Amino acid sequence: GQNIDQPTEMTATEGAIVQINCTYQTSGFNGLFWYQQHAGEAPTFLSYNVLDGLEEKGRFSSFLSRSKGYSYLLLKELQMKDSASYLCAVRDSDYKLSFGAGTTVTVRA
Amino acid sequence: IAGITQAPTSQILAAGRRMTLRCTQDMRHNALYWYRQDLGLGLRLIHYSTTAGTTGKGEVPDGYSVSRANTDDFPLTLASAVPSQTSVYFCASSEGQGASPLHFGNGTRLTVT
Repeated sequence: GQNIDQPTEMTATEGAIVQINCTYQTSGFNGLFWYQQHAGEAPTFLSYNVLDGLEEKGRFSSFLSRSKGYSYLLLKELQMKDSASYLCAVRDSDYKLSFGAGTTVTVRA
Repeated sequence: IAGITQAPTSQILAAGRRMTLRCTQDMRHNALYWYRQDLGLGLRLIHYSTTAGTTGKGEVPDGYSVSRANTDDFPLTLASAVPSQTSVYFCASSEGQGASPLHFGNGTRLTVT
């Protein structure tokens, strides 16, 4: 099975940087995904890591350390529209993707 | 617009009734999934299918069944609904393993009374 942990809530100021951590223990590992979910909407794909290191996509970056079972999502130059839940998900040894409970980020003016 | 269509958008259902949630894709993805999302618990996998004709159980399969008669349709059936099945249900697809992400439908909000 999978055990995926991330903080429940985080608050930050517009223009600032926020780092959302995710730790995982899995029976197999075939990649880690981050999703964004606005209230009342479906999750949308943000990033994918399968090798150790940092992947950068505009204002969003994601980091992975497989030996530590650890990832983070970094949101830079925060905007009000970034207020959402951020979901960490791990693909195990076959097709299945398991999700953490999500981190609700609130951006304040 | 290509993607996943779920129906109905929302439904109120009496306990003990049978209900089928519909999921149709037009992306010709091999893999389809059903998740339920509950406050504080996140998304939990109910059933999945890696190709037409095959299905598998996820983390919380009890009380649910699925079928995959063709590539595009993946209905989820609640044989006899119970209040604990009140949730938001998402259907998702992916091309397969590796870097292919899940693409989600807009969800079905189900309330069992």
